[in-house]
Amino acid sequence: EVVLTQSPATLSVSPGERATLSCTASQSVSSHLAWYQQKPGQAPRLLFYGASTRATGIPARFSGSGSGTEFTLTISSLQSGDFAVYYCQQYIHWPLTFGGGTKVEIK
Amino acid sequence: QVRLVQSGAELKKPGASVRVSCKASGYSFTTYAIHWVRQAPGQRLEWMGWISGGSGNTKYLQKFQDRGTISRDTSATTAYLELRGLRSEDTAVYYCARGALYDAFDIWGQGTMVTVSS
Repeated sequence: EVVLTQSPATLSVSPGERATLSCTASQSVSSHLAWYQQKPGQAPRLLFYGASTRATGIPARFSGSGSGTEFTLTISSLQSGDFAVYYCQQYIHWPLTFGGGTKVEIK
Repeated sequence: QVRLVQSGAELKKPGASVRVSCKASGYSFTTYAIHWVRQAPGQRLEWMGWISGGSGNTKYLQKFQDRGTISRDTSATTAYLELRGLRSEDTAVYYCARGALYDAFDIWGQGTMVTVSS
């Protein structure tokens, strides 16, 4: 199966600062990668699909990039509602797999 | 409004079975697949399996091949996950999510907490 490794595990950032999250795949997933945001007690919310296409309603301060095995999620200026856990997922190879998550916390 | 609404929390004893439902509304049910994903406390999301939109074919993560069954009732626009032979390690929140083949999961249910305890 495709293993997705996210780094760092925890990212401490001050409001207004930039956050950069990474996701590395053990084999190429082309652009078949999604990012989700999950807040405590809530279901995940789709942020990006196709590695870089924003889902409906996702603000422009979020951006996604990458292809093949290396992917990045960037939040340009963190707001209070952005502190959460972020997961990447590949959906081209069976079984579908998720990364271990990056927790973005307030510094 | 596109929604997936799941059944309520369950408390089960080891060895029992559980069935979680996922009621879809606001879209054509058979146009999209339904995936099941679980999350044990403090753990990552784990994809369990899916039922495809058109044909209703199913596919499972190997570890659930023998214990899990995903089904649907198209007239009720509801998908189901049944898990048998429950053990403590199955304690988790179980989510259903909408997604097409080779596509991300754009709509999620609210989650169903399943607790396995004697």
